[in-house]
Amino acid sequence: QKEVEQDPGPLSVPEGAIVSLNCTYSNSAFQYFMWYRQYSRKGPELLMYTYSSGNKEDGRFTAQVDKSSKYISLFIRDSQPSDSATYLCAMSALDKIIFGKGTRLHILP
Amino acid sequence: EAGVAQSPRYKIIEKRQSVAFWCNPISGHATLYWYQQILGQGPKLLIQFQNNGVVDDSQLPKDRFSAERLKGVDSTLKIQPAKLEDSAVYLCASSLETGIGYTFGSGTRLTVV
Repeated sequence: QKEVEQDPGPLSVPEGAIVSLNCTYSNSAFQYFMWYRQYSRKGPELLMYTYSSGNKEDGRFTAQVDKSSKYISLFIRDSQPSDSATYLCAMSALDKIIFGKGTRLHILP
Repeated sequence: EAGVAQSPRYKIIEKRQSVAFWCNPISGHATLYWYQQILGQGPKLLIQFQNNGVVDDSQLPKDRFSAERLKGVDSTLKIQPAKLEDSAVYLCASSLETGIGYTFGSGTRLTVV
Protein backbone atom coordinates (compact mmCIF):
# COMPACT_ATOMS: atom_id res chain seq x y z
CA GLN A 1 0.00 0.00 0.00
CA LYS A 2 1.38 3.40 -1.00
CA GLU A 3 1.74 6.00 1.75
CA VAL A 4 -0.50 8.49 -0.07
CA GLU A 5 -3.23 7.55 -2.54
CA GLN A 6 -4.87 10.06 -4.87
CA ASP A 7 -7.14 9.48 -7.86
CA PRO A 8 -5.34 10.94 -10.91
CA GLY A 9 -8.58 11.85 -12.74
CA PRO A 10 -9.06 13.70 -14.99
CA LEU A 11 -12.04 15.33 -13.32
CA SER A 12 -14.20 17.62 -15.49
CA VAL A 13 -16.87 19.83 -13.96
CA PRO A 14 -18.89 22.81 -15.24
CA GLU A 15 -17.98 26.34 -14.17
CA GLY A 16 -19.63 27.30 -10.88
CA ALA A 17 -19.84 23.74 -9.54
CA ILE A 18 -18.43 22.60 -6.21
CA VAL A 19 -15.33 20.44 -6.64
CA SER A 20 -14.29 17.76 -4.18
CA LEU A 21 -10.75 16.35 -4.28
CA ASN A 22 -9.62 13.61 -1.92
CA CYS A 23 -6.63 11.64 -0.68
CA THR A 24 -6.15 8.73 1.66
CA TYR A 25 -2.99 7.85 3.54
CA SER A 26 -1.57 5.05 5.63
CA ASN A 27 1.05 6.68 7.88
CA SER A 28 -0.54 7.72 11.17
CA ALA A 29 2.56 9.83 11.98
CA PHE A 30 1.56 12.49 9.43
CA GLN A 31 0.68 15.73 11.21
CA TYR A 32 0.70 18.37 8.46
CA PHE A 33 -1.58 18.09 5.47
CA MET A 34 -1.14 20.28 2.43
CA TRP A 35 -2.71 20.96 -0.93
CA TYR A 36 -0.60 22.18 -3.82
CA ARG A 37 -1.82 23.43 -7.18
CA GLN A 38 0.31 22.85 -10.27
CA TYR A 39 -0.33 24.55 -13.58
CA SER A 40 1.10 23.06 -16.76
CA ARG A 41 4.88 23.59 -17.06
CA LYS A 42 5.05 25.22 -13.62
CA GLY A 43 6.20 24.05 -10.20
CA PRO A 44 3.64 23.22 -7.51
CA GLU A 45 2.41 26.16 -5.39
CA LEU A 46 1.12 25.78 -1.86
CA LEU A 47 -2.63 26.45 -1.56
CA MET A 48 -3.31 25.56 2.06
CA TYR A 49 -1.99 23.53 4.92
CA THR A 50 -3.69 22.13 8.02
CA TYR A 51 -2.23 20.84 11.22
CA SER A 52 -3.85 17.66 12.57
CA SER A 53 -7.61 17.18 12.17
CA GLY A 54 -10.23 19.78 11.36
CA ASN A 55 -11.24 22.25 8.71
CA LYS A 56 -9.56 25.32 7.27
CA GLU A 57 -11.15 27.82 4.93
CA ASP A 58 -9.48 30.32 2.61
CA GLY A 59 -11.79 32.13 0.23
CA ARG A 60 -13.35 29.60 -2.12
CA PHE A 61 -11.15 26.77 -0.80
CA THR A 62 -11.84 24.54 2.20
CA ALA A 63 -9.47 21.82 3.43
CA GLN A 64 -10.70 19.02 5.68
CA VAL A 65 -8.67 16.43 7.57
CA ASP A 66 -10.13 13.33 9.21
CA LYS A 67 -7.23 11.60 10.95
CA SER A 68 -9.44 8.80 12.30
CA SER A 69 -10.26 7.76 8.72
CA LYS A 70 -6.87 8.84 7.30
CA TYR A 71 -8.72 10.89 4.72
CA ILE A 72 -8.26 14.48 3.55
CA SER A 73 -10.34 16.61 1.21
CA LEU A 74 -10.16 19.90 -0.67
CA PHE A 75 -13.38 21.62 -1.67
CA ILE A 76 -13.50 24.39 -4.27
CA ARG A 77 -16.66 26.48 -4.34
CA ASP A 78 -17.85 28.45 -7.36
CA SER A 79 -15.19 26.83 -9.53
CA GLN A 80 -13.62 28.96 -12.26
CA PRO A 81 -11.83 28.02 -15.51
CA SER A 82 -8.65 29.43 -13.89
CA ASP A 83 -8.91 26.63 -11.31
CA SER A 84 -8.06 24.12 -14.06
CA ALA A 85 -4.80 22.56 -12.91
CA THR A 86 -3.38 19.48 -11.20
CA TYR A 87 -4.02 19.38 -7.45
CA LEU A 88 -1.50 17.50 -5.32
CA CYS A 89 -2.15 16.45 -1.77
CA ALA A 90 0.93 16.26 0.42
CA MET A 91 1.64 15.15 3.96
CA SER A 92 4.43 15.47 6.44
CA ALA A 93 5.54 14.18 9.80
CA LEU A 94 7.85 17.22 9.98
CA ASP A 95 10.70 15.35 8.32
CA LYS A 96 9.86 15.36 4.63
CA ILE A 97 6.79 15.90 2.49
CA ILE A 98 5.23 12.95 0.68
CA PHE A 99 3.11 13.84 -2.35
CA GLY A 100 0.15 12.12 -3.95
CA LYS A 101 0.11 11.58 -7.71
CA GLY A 102 -2.12 14.60 -8.27
CA THR A 103 -5.65 14.95 -9.69
CA ARG A 104 -6.06 16.75 -13.02
CA LEU A 105 -9.02 19.10 -12.82
CA HIS A 106 -10.75 20.71 -15.80
CA ILE A 107 -13.36 23.43 -15.24
CA LEU A 108 -15.54 23.70 -18.32
CA PRO A 109 -16.72 27.25 -19.22
CA GLU B 1 10.15 38.17 -2.39
CA ALA B 2 11.98 36.53 -5.29
CA GLY B 3 11.06 32.92 -5.87
CA VAL B 4 13.19 29.82 -6.34
CA ALA B 5 15.23 30.17 -9.53
CA GLN B 6 16.14 27.17 -11.66
CA SER B 7 18.05 26.78 -14.90
CA PRO B 8 17.94 25.64 -17.58
CA ARG B 9 14.19 25.36 -18.18
CA TYR B 10 14.58 22.61 -20.76
CA LYS B 11 17.31 20.17 -21.68
CA ILE B 12 17.49 17.40 -24.27
CA ILE B 13 20.43 14.98 -24.11
CA GLU B 14 21.32 11.57 -25.44
CA LYS B 15 21.53 8.60 -23.10
CA ARG B 16 24.91 8.15 -21.43
CA GLN B 17 25.60 11.89 -21.61
CA SER B 18 25.88 14.02 -18.50
CA VAL B 19 23.74 16.98 -17.45
CA ALA B 20 23.66 19.49 -14.59
CA PHE B 21 20.85 21.58 -13.13
CA TRP B 22 21.19 24.70 -11.02
CA CYS B 23 18.99 26.08 -8.24
CA ASN B 24 19.02 29.34 -6.29
CA PRO B 25 16.62 29.15 -3.31
CA ILE B 26 14.73 31.95 -1.59
CA SER B 27 17.08 34.10 0.45
CA GLY B 28 17.24 32.91 4.05
CA HIS B 29 15.79 29.47 3.42
CA ALA B 30 18.13 27.00 5.08
CA THR B 31 16.46 23.89 3.70
CA LEU B 32 16.71 22.97 0.02
CA TYR B 33 15.20 20.00 -1.77
CA TRP B 34 15.53 18.37 -5.17
CA TYR B 35 12.50 16.47 -6.42
CA GLN B 36 11.97 14.35 -9.52
CA GLN B 37 8.53 14.47 -11.11
CA ILE B 38 7.85 11.91 -13.83
CA LEU B 39 4.91 12.66 -16.12
CA GLY B 40 1.64 11.78 -14.40
CA GLN B 41 3.28 11.29 -11.00
CA GLY B 42 3.68 13.37 -7.89
CA PRO B 43 7.10 14.78 -7.01
CA LYS B 44 9.54 12.31 -5.45
CA LEU B 45 12.22 13.57 -3.07
CA LEU B 46 15.77 12.93 -4.29
CA ILE B 47 17.81 14.84 -1.73
CA GLN B 48 17.32 17.30 1.12
CA PHE B 49 19.95 19.78 2.36
CA GLN B 50 19.98 21.68 5.62
CA ASN B 51 22.43 24.51 5.00
CA ASN B 52 25.49 22.70 3.55
CA GLY B 53 24.70 19.28 4.96
CA VAL B 54 22.73 16.41 3.48
CA VAL B 55 19.73 15.43 5.63
CA ASP B 56 18.16 12.77 3.41
CA ASP B 57 19.47 11.24 0.18
CA SER B 58 17.92 7.81 0.62
CA GLN B 59 16.14 7.92 -2.76
CA LEU B 60 18.99 9.41 -4.75
CA PRO B 61 20.45 6.92 -7.27
CA LYS B 62 23.98 7.54 -6.12
CA ASP B 63 25.60 5.53 -8.90
CA ARG B 64 24.59 8.24 -11.37
CA PHE B 65 23.16 11.22 -9.47
CA SER B 66 25.10 13.67 -7.33
CA ALA B 67 24.21 16.96 -5.70
CA GLU B 68 25.99 19.64 -3.77
CA ARG B 69 25.11 22.85 -2.03
CA LEU B 70 28.02 25.20 -1.69
CA LYS B 71 28.07 27.83 1.06
CA GLY B 72 24.53 26.86 2.05
CA VAL B 73 22.94 28.77 -0.84
CA ASP B 74 22.95 27.60 -4.48
CA SER B 75 22.76 23.95 -5.38
CA THR B 76 23.56 21.79 -8.40
CA LEU B 77 22.18 18.37 -9.30
CA LYS B 78 24.14 16.26 -11.77
CA ILE B 79 23.30 13.09 -13.67
CA GLN B 80 26.11 11.07 -15.21
CA PRO B 81 25.49 8.97 -17.25
CA ALA B 82 21.84 9.67 -18.05
CA LYS B 83 19.34 6.90 -18.80
CA LEU B 84 16.08 7.07 -20.72
CA GLU B 85 14.11 6.66 -17.47
CA ASP B 86 15.66 9.88 -16.11
CA SER B 87 13.33 11.85 -18.40
CA ALA B 88 11.34 13.97 -15.95
CA VAL B 89 10.95 17.43 -14.50
CA TYR B 90 13.52 18.19 -11.82
CA LEU B 91 12.10 20.54 -9.22
CA CYS B 92 14.02 22.50 -6.64
CA ALA B 93 12.25 23.75 -3.53
CA SER B 94 13.24 25.63 -0.40
CA SER B 95 11.67 26.29 2.98
CA LEU B 96 12.24 27.96 6.31
CA GLU B 97 11.03 24.94 8.24
CA THR B 98 11.37 21.26 7.41
CA GLY B 99 8.19 19.49 6.42
CA ILE B 100 5.86 22.42 5.78
CA GLY B 101 5.11 24.82 2.99
CA TYR B 102 7.89 24.42 0.46
CA THR B 103 8.25 26.98 -2.32
CA PHE B 104 9.03 25.34 -5.64
CA GLY B 105 10.83 26.62 -8.69
CA SER B 106 9.39 26.10 -12.18
CA GLY B 107 11.62 23.09 -12.73
CA THR B 108 13.94 21.81 -15.44
CA ARG B 109 12.32 19.50 -17.98
CA LEU B 110 14.83 16.84 -19.00
CA THR B 111 14.35 14.63 -22.03
CA VAL B 112 16.79 11.78 -22.55
CA VAL B 113 16.75 10.32 -26.08
